[in-house]
Amino acid sequence: EDQVTQSPEALRLQEGESSSLNCSYTVSGLRGLFWYRQDPGKGPEFLFTLYSAGEEKEKERLKATLTKKESFLHITAPKPEDSATYLCAALNAGGTSYGKLTFGQGTILTVHP
Amino acid sequence: NAGVTQTPKFQVLKTGQSMTLQCAQDMNHNSMYWYRQDPGMGLRLIYYSASEGTTDKGEVPNGYNVSRLNKREFSLRLESAAPSQTSVYFCASSELTVPSDEQYFGPGTRLTVT
Repeated sequence: EDQVTQSPEALRLQEGESSSLNCSYTVSGLRGLFWYRQDPGKGPEFLFTLYSAGEEKEKERLKATLTKKESFLHITAPKPEDSATYLCAALNAGGTSYGKLTFGQGTILTVHP
Repeated sequence: NAGVTQTPKFQVLKTGQSMTLQCAQDMNHNSMYWYRQDPGMGLRLIYYSASEGTTDKGEVPNGYNVSRLNKREFSLRLESAAPSQTSVYFCASSELTVPSDEQYFGPGTRLTVT
């Protein structure tokens, strides 16, 4: 069964304190690993897609990396506005043309000024 | 562009009542999706429509029906609501008819079934 596990469940940082969020996945035939940001009361907002081990993508203070078993979202010198829930999702080959997108439960990030 | 819009934003139903959640996108996207989000469960796909005129079941389709009314609109219907359907429902769309394309989400509908 496909599984996506995110850790930690919650992370509190001081402004400027860099850290990483982890997304471990077990899927058959990974076709893509997605990262989303979700603010309270809103829908998820797309951040990155990674397709193969070794791939990296950056956006402002965020950098996503991918290995064969996990993905990391590195946050460099975070600011309070980076506070949100970060979701990862793994897309497998699936038995249908669609495949299956499995979401993790998310990591709640709080950055204190 | 408004992106993906959903109505209503909040709804309270009694067990057995029916309702339709509406979703529209103005990005000329081909694919549309319905998810539910429950605490501790993550987002789960209910139904999707890869292109206008087609719909397919996702991970948790039982108790729901969908209609792809046209390219812009994709509705989700609960025929006989149950407390287990209390959740936050998100509609999403993507430009390409492949699931690896990035999805744009609406603001959600918070549904409570008593």
